Amino acid sequence: SQQGEEDPQALSIQEGENATMNCSYKTSINNLQWYRQNSGRGLVHLILIRSNEREKHSGRLRVTLDTSKKSSSLLITASRAADTASYFCATALTDSWGKLQFGAGTQVVVTP
Amino acid sequence: DGGITQSPKYLFRKEGQNVTLSCEQNLNHDAMYWYRQDPGQGLRLIYYSQIVNDFQKGDIAEGYSVSREKKESFPLTVTSAQKNPTAFYLCASSRDERLDQPQHFGDGTRLSIL
Repeated sequence: SQQGEEDPQALSIQEGENATMNCSYKTSINNLQWYRQNSGRGLVHLILIRSNEREKHSGRLRVTLDTSKKSSSLLITASRAADTASYFCATALTDSWGKLQFGAGTQVVVTP
Repeated sequence: DGGITQSPKYLFRKEGQNVTLSCEQNLNHDAMYWYRQDPGQGLRLIYYSQIVNDFQKGDIAEGYSVSREKKESFPLTVTSAQKNPTAFYLCASSRDERLDQPQHFGDGTRLSIL
């Protein structure tokens, strides 16, 4: 089974609204990363949050991590049509080298 | 510009045929990875390489083979033993194998069966 699982599976919002998606995982992690994938393209790294961090910001992105609940959330503020993509969380386990385990992703559609 | 180049973008395989997917990077990264992506699922690791002339099996290595003769190149061969090869294949690299390194991805190869 997958280490990370995103919720919801799909999200449809209008431009200007905020989009929030969640990721839950099962075992201890060194860090958690979020990636974006546009249709038919490769993944693009968005942000990395370490296990000793609780919140991180990058532009319109805000990521939180709650290691006690084994969960993370990604917030995209003031969404734009260009934010339409699938978003994946990936966990780096403490007992692995650089191996990442990916969830199934959240499909986000932002309509103008 | 530095990046990862995967080719071809689309590939078709006949029954009993081996096909090779190309992955080249000019980021001077030590570690490289191959993933398989099926619809509605996350990425699954096929093979990874932490350094030239070394590679390890990932979670779904059966029916696949790789080589790492040069730092820049990490080709993946889908053999006839892989009975369900239709998928989107993604190659990635990272500076090294440390846990806190983000991975950089190519734009994938979509493999289909004729």
